Amino acid sequence: DTAVSQTPKYLVTQMGNDKSIKCEQNLGHDTMYWYKQDSKKFLKIMFSYNNKELIINETVPNRFSPKSPDKAHLNLHINSLELGDSAVYFCASSQAAGGHEQFFGPGTRLTVL
Amino acid sequence: GNSVTQMEGPVTLSEEAFLTINCTYTATGYPSLFWYVQYPGEGLQLLLKATKADDKGSNKGFEATYRKETTSFHLEKGSVQVSDSAVYFCALPLGSARQLTFGSGTQLTVLP
Repeated sequence: DTAVSQTPKYLVTQMGNDKSIKCEQNLGHDTMYWYKQDSKKFLKIMFSYNNKELIINETVPNRFSPKSPDKAHLNLHINSLELGDSAVYFCASSQAAGGHEQFFGPGTRLTVL
Repeated sequence: GNSVTQMEGPVTLSEEAFLTINCTYTATGYPSLFWYVQYPGEGLQLLLKATKADDKGSNKGFEATYRKETTSFHLEKGSVQVSDSAVYFCALPLGSARQLTFGSGTQLTVLP
């Protein structure tokens, strides 16, 4: 009965590959997010979807493409992976857009070799 | 512009010591304020929040008071435990869509 789940938990891949991370929430929330956390624990928002509509698209390389097939899912696809993409990626959800409490997934640690 | 500034870490304390992690912000109006905690290897989880001026949020022995005069929301705990070792994030809705914006995080290590 995990609230926000992500797969995979660990992802090790070579430069230039394409990979996807999946996220699902069973909280009935309308809004979902992707964050990138670097090695110094700094958390940067990347994207947010509200009811399957993109509402936040921060300055992120266009190699990163989010997809929301329905309200409960928000996937992140990354093309042509680079060394600098190595980080922990967190999915989160909230009841609605705006300053509501966010619920985070366990994270996906991406290592690009 | 709007921002959240959090005390830099890392912070290392002995068990039973007093903890303060400072958080100040600039924002229009009186937004809700949050503290999140990230235990090793996990995602962030809400620790406490306050929704209006002079409110005190509390959880697990941690407290923070919404101070509009000083635009601060400092996190305190009277006696820390080894299990409190984690990264702590202050947050409030500041973004373009008023989504939560997180401070830079403060790494706390509590030694036995």
